[in-house]
Amino acid sequence: QSVLTQPPSVSAAPGQRISISCSGRGSNIGKNPVSWYQQFPGTAPKLLIYDSDKRPSGIPDRFSGSKSATSATLGITGLQTGDEADYSCATWDSTLNVMVFGGGTKLTVL
Amino acid sequence: QVQLIQSGAEVKKPGASVKVSCKIPGYTLTELSIHWVRQAPGKGLEWMAGFDPGDGKTFHAQMLQGRVTLSVDTTSDTVYMELSSLTSEDTAVYYCAHWGALGGFDSWGQGTLVTVS
Repeated sequence: QSVLTQPPSVSAAPGQRISISCSGRGSNIGKNPVSWYQQFPGTAPKLLIYDSDKRPSGIPDRFSGSKSATSATLGITGLQTGDEADYSCATWDSTLNVMVFGGGTKLTVL
Repeated sequence: QVQLIQSGAEVKKPGASVKVSCKIPGYTLTELSIHWVRQAPGKGLEWMAGFDPGDGKTFHAQMLQGRVTLSVDTTSDTVYMELSSLTSEDTAVYYCAHWGALGGFDSWGQGTLVTVS
């Protein structure tokens, strides 16, 4: 059971927009910024979003992040088949003094 | 971007220990925030431990407390993660990752598969 809660899967057609939620509590998302990772099978994760809503250089603006209270959201617009991957959120938990991850969400582009 | 190069796959017996290395050339290792994250087959990412250069502290996941040890060899530009008392539940791909100054794990090693059987 992950500390941060994500839906196990989401799916949409090419060109559409999706949102992936990440729900936590006051001690983690409520106090600290969230980062998001994209992971293809058999490869290491890649940073998509840091500081809740910022993109590293090279990440398309189709990817966006937001945070409100104890939840964070990853948005992807203009879905492409190449976006099919697992997406995970992470943040620091200030009470436990540990980094926590969501369980991951598998995106299927139909 | 920080380059992280991990050691190769390992097969261990239950009860044994494993030491995974992560070579990071060109940096002062004690100034980097390096963490370890693992992923069991078909499962999500699980943070194990990490080093905060700001205060020199190492943090560990509670469920791994006492079994995981982080160390640094500055002469070889290498950080190590040792996990003891292995069980089949420790079978996973182990990643070292760099926590960037702006936040987020911005660089990752290629992963090391540890099989306990």
